[in-house]
Amino acid sequence: KNQVEQSPQSLIILEGKNCTLQCNYTVSPFSNLRWYKQDTGRGPVSLTIMTFSENTKSNGRYTATLDADTKQSSLHITASQLSDSASYICVVSAPYSGGGADGLTFGKGTHLIIQP
Amino acid sequence: GAVVSQHPSRVICKSGTSVKIECRSLDFQATTMFWYRQFPKQSLMLMATSNEGSKATYEQGVEKDKFLINHASLTLSTLTVTSAHPEDSSFYICSAHQGLATSGQYFGPGTRLTVT
Repeated sequence: KNQVEQSPQSLIILEGKNCTLQCNYTVSPFSNLRWYKQDTGRGPVSLTIMTFSENTKSNGRYTATLDADTKQSSLHITASQLSDSASYICVVSAPYSGGGADGLTFGKGTHLIIQP
Repeated sequence: GAVVSQHPSRVICKSGTSVKIECRSLDFQATTMFWYRQFPKQSLMLMATSNEGSKATYEQGVEKDKFLINHASLTLSTLTVTSAHPEDSSFYICSAHQGLATSGQYFGPGTRLTVT
């Protein structure tokens, strides 16, 4: 069964500090892995997308890594800001075949709180 | 980037009434759209896959007669919650796929439904 496990479930850090969120998956076959940021009451917004051959992808203060051999990914946030407070969701995609099923396996997310 | 909109963003309705939620892909054509439901502090749960010009495919446990989906054009899908009950109160999110094997899904901002 395809699964995506995220840790920690929740995290509280002080503004300006760095943090790393983890994602382990068992999805097969694998197409890509995305990290989303979801603010409370909003839809998910894509931060990074990585395919099998990519190890690192950055988007501003967000840096995602992928180890396809161990099926692990991480999202590192540097110099955190209050606006980073949100849920961060790891989503792993199987190859899109069209016609039905989203081919996505969602993690339950890490709820991040940045304190001033 | 690809943009998906939803309308309304919030809706409150009385028990027993029906409510329609629209999902639009603004700058691309989406042959397939997906509808999700998300309860507080939970991950997104796929409800159904909406294919343009054909019947929707519902996930197990989702009542197709209660959640009516229409995908009349390549840029618009609608979800109608019929005879709504308080337990239908949730956050409904749609996403659209560009139809390319290498592209991802783009999520709408979500619709908060409250049934009183």
